[in-house]
Amino acid sequence: DGGITQSPKYLFRKEGQNVTLSCEQNLNHDAMYWYRQDPGQGLRLIYYSQIVNDFQKGDIAEGYSVSREKKESFPLTVTSAQKNPTAFYLCASSIWVSGANVLTFGAGSRLTVL
Amino acid sequence: RKEVEQDPGPFNVPEGATVAFNCTYSNSASQSFFWYRQDCRKEPKLLMSVYSSGNEDGRFTAQLNRASQYISLLIRDSKLSDSATYLCVVSEGAGTYKYIFGTGTRLKVLA
Repeated sequence: DGGITQSPKYLFRKEGQNVTLSCEQNLNHDAMYWYRQDPGQGLRLIYYSQIVNDFQKGDIAEGYSVSREKKESFPLTVTSAQKNPTAFYLCASSIWVSGANVLTFGAGSRLTVL
Repeated sequence: RKEVEQDPGPFNVPEGATVAFNCTYSNSASQSFFWYRQDCRKEPKLLMSVYSSGNEDGRFTAQLNRASQYISLLIRDSKLSDSATYLCVVSEGAGTYKYIFGTGTRLKVLA
């Protein structure tokens, strides 16, 4: 089955540590995204990548970094500079269908900072 | 003003009822519109795209009103399994990779 795999599902981090969240897709989609979801808020875009070796900042990129060395992979690093990293992180990929760019999400990674 | 606004609910309805949600958006340049369903602590899943002429998928009907800048979702013959949060998603413009998510409307279908 084609889909998006995120790992780990749950992650605990001490303050001051960097952590990397994995995202792999086998849908052959060109574009990939990282969103953050907090209780009572809509999903907010962290970074997105339209093609390999290219990515753009979203609305809340500070304290995060990404890479896109392969079409299938778009890892997110949450650095110690991110002041409030506890959240539900969602990776997505997209494809154009009938003029609309349709997002498909992975199951998410839940990060808790202790 | 929020860019995409939804009534958070919860909407508590009995099985078999018809329920409707609205979502308003502020960017008149938005071109793509979607409804996603999100179960508790799970990822959002595409329910349906919303087209200008309106579209239907089984018990679900979506409408777009560009003049008033809102989209709607109608669920007929509600099932217990329809209980979830419904997210309104709107593109920032035409041909964009950026989308604005509403905070969601929570639906509880009661037996």
